[in-house]
Amino acid sequence: GENVEQHPSTLSVQEGDSAVIKCTYSDSASNYFPWYKQELGKRPQLIIDIRSNVGEKKDQRIAVTLNKTAKHFSLHITETQPEDSAVYFCAASKGNDMRFGAGTRLTVKP
Amino acid sequence: DSGVTQTPKHLITATGQRVTLRCSPRSGDLSVYWYQQSLDQGLQFLIQYYNGEERAKGNILERFSAQQFPDLHSELNLSSLELGDSALYFCASSVEARGAGYGYTFGSGTRLTVV
Repeated sequence: GENVEQHPSTLSVQEGDSAVIKCTYSDSASNYFPWYKQELGKRPQLIIDIRSNVGEKKDQRIAVTLNKTAKHFSLHITETQPEDSAVYFCAASKGNDMRFGAGTRLTVKP
Repeated sequence: DSGVTQTPKHLITATGQRVTLRCSPRSGDLSVYWYQQSLDQGLQFLIQYYNGEERAKGNILERFSAQQFPDLHSELNLSSLELGDSALYFCASSVEARGAGYGYTFGSGTRLTVV
């Protein structure tokens, strides 16, 4: 089955700096890669996603890149703000089979 | 409100007891997924149902069971509860079971505390 690895497990940045979270996946048939943000005690929420036929997608301060050959994808957050502090999960999906990474706890210091 | 409804929000029960968690998926979604999230841990996939049928099983203990009813709501039954079962239990729903993936919409979760 699919195996998703996510790094780093914790990330601390200064407000205004950029943050990058990286994930690798094992199943080359995976074709959908969402990212979820989970604030403390709340539900995970989809923030951006990318499909395997696209290399990059951007939505305001967040962007996701996908390298199918290397089987890795990354989340980029620019101009970080304290409200970006949360746990971020990547996932890789093939049809109904979605596997999550272990999560990255991002702390943005004001 | 995500459209996925989970009840109850909080549950405190004693070891050895049995509880039932309920989930109503977003309107139009046929797939329901159950996840367990222990303190500071990731999302552990338990089980998936699609239109009433079990489709995939993850790390679900034999003490746990689930079902999806004709109206598409789902219930997760946890029995012979142990202290280690204390966790947030999330339900998520999505549109389809096959083909290109779709994002999940998560409910607000049920926080289970076993004492």
